[in-house]
Amino acid sequence: QLQLQESGPGLVKPSETLSLTCTVSGGSISSSSYYWGWIRQPPGKGLEWIGSIYYSGSTYYNPSLKSRVTISVDTSKNQFSLKLSSVTAADTAVYYCARLETWTWGQGTLVTVSS
Amino acid sequence: DIQMTQSPSTLSASVGDRVTITCRASQSISSWLAWYQQKPGKAPKLLIYKASSLESGVPSRFSGSGSGTEFTLTISSLQPDDFATYYCQQYNSYSQLTFGGGTKVEIK
Repeated sequence: QLQLQESGPGLVKPSETLSLTCTVSGGSISSSSYYWGWIRQPPGKGLEWIGSIYYSGSTYYNPSLKSRVTISVDTSKNQFSLKLSSVTAADTAVYYCARLETWTWGQGTLVTVSS
Repeated sequence: DIQMTQSPSTLSASVGDRVTITCRASQSISSWLAWYQQKPGKAPKLLIYKASSLESGVPSRFSGSGSGTEFTLTISSLQPDDFATYYCQQYNSYSQLTFGGGTKVEIK
């Protein structure tokens, strides 16, 4: 059974870069032609798509975040990652990773931006 | 960008009620729509994909319909476990995903 697990610092300082990793188990990132993605949810608010990456490495980003986002894949580790630069308090959210098409989500990880 | 407008934002209902939530896309998305249920502190749970396909293990009281720009999620007989927040999501293209604003189903 496919499982995704987000990991990374729970606290990031303003202006720094948020870095998260999604580890995939129960399936290979590179063995099938799926898209993988990151979604976030600020406390008490709705869901926002951050970006998607194809298993081959092609990336697509939310235009509102595009200048600050980088998503990459490491097939050797069966992981994909998110980097969000120049963070502010508005980036405080639960961050989810997911396999698209089958809509399998990780449990989410809360990242707080604060000094 | 495709915008998703979900209504109502809050819905008060009683156990046994039939409940309908609507999602409208700003342009046609064919049937590329999913519905999720989310409870506090939990990840969204997939209920419906491709507008009307029931995810495995989801009770049959949940159903989805629509195509193009108008979609509905219906709960035929609301159960205590169904009080939660529901989101629609379009995936017409994996290069651009968008979610509706959510509908909180509360106890009347």
